[in-house]
Amino acid sequence: GQNIDQPTEMTATEGAIVQINCTYQTSGFNGLFWYQQHAGEAPTFLSYNVLDGLEEKGRFSSFLSRSKGYSYLLLKELQMKDSASYLCAVRDLNDYKLSFGAGTTVTVRA
Amino acid sequence: GAVVSQHPSWVICKSGTSVKIECRSLDFQATTMFWYRQFPKQSLMLMATSNEGSKATYEQGVEKDKFLINHASLTLSTLTVTSAHPEDSSFYICSARGRRETQYFGPGTRLLVL
Repeated sequence: GQNIDQPTEMTATEGAIVQINCTYQTSGFNGLFWYQQHAGEAPTFLSYNVLDGLEEKGRFSSFLSRSKGYSYLLLKELQMKDSASYLCAVRDLNDYKLSFGAGTTVTVRA
Repeated sequence: GAVVSQHPSWVICKSGTSVKIECRSLDFQATTMFWYRQFPKQSLMLMATSNEGSKATYEQGVEKDKFLINHASLTLSTLTVTSAHPEDSSFYICSARGRRETQYFGPGTRLLVL
């Protein structure tokens, strides 16, 4: 099974940078995903890491260290619309199922 | 990106009735779809894995006779909540496995059982 931990809440100012950490313990790892979910809506895909290192996609970057069981999502140049819940999810090696963390609610203030 | 639709987007029904939710992959074929349930302020909980042409695989604690899943084609999976009760009220979300094994989520169906 999977055990995934991420902070519950974070607050930041518009234009700033926020880093959301995710640690996991897994019996079989086959990739880590980050999703964004606005209140009342379904999650939308942000990033995917399966090898160690940094994946950059515009204002969002995601980092993975498999040996440490650690990932982070970096949000740069924060905008009000970035206020949402950010879900870290780990995919199982054997059956490709995703296990989700509880989500980190990010609030961006003017 | 890949598009997944769900229908209906929200349902209000009386206790004891059955509700069917459809999940479609619109621009790709999905041999595997997943059904999740999400209660307020909680994360997504996987209910079952739906494989085209075979029986669904249910997670521990999910009643397969209550949550009927049918995956009759490569683009359609359905979830039927049978004899719904107020405790079944939740946000039901499907996802379809696409390119690079990424899961793409539908917009979700909000179910309220009175």
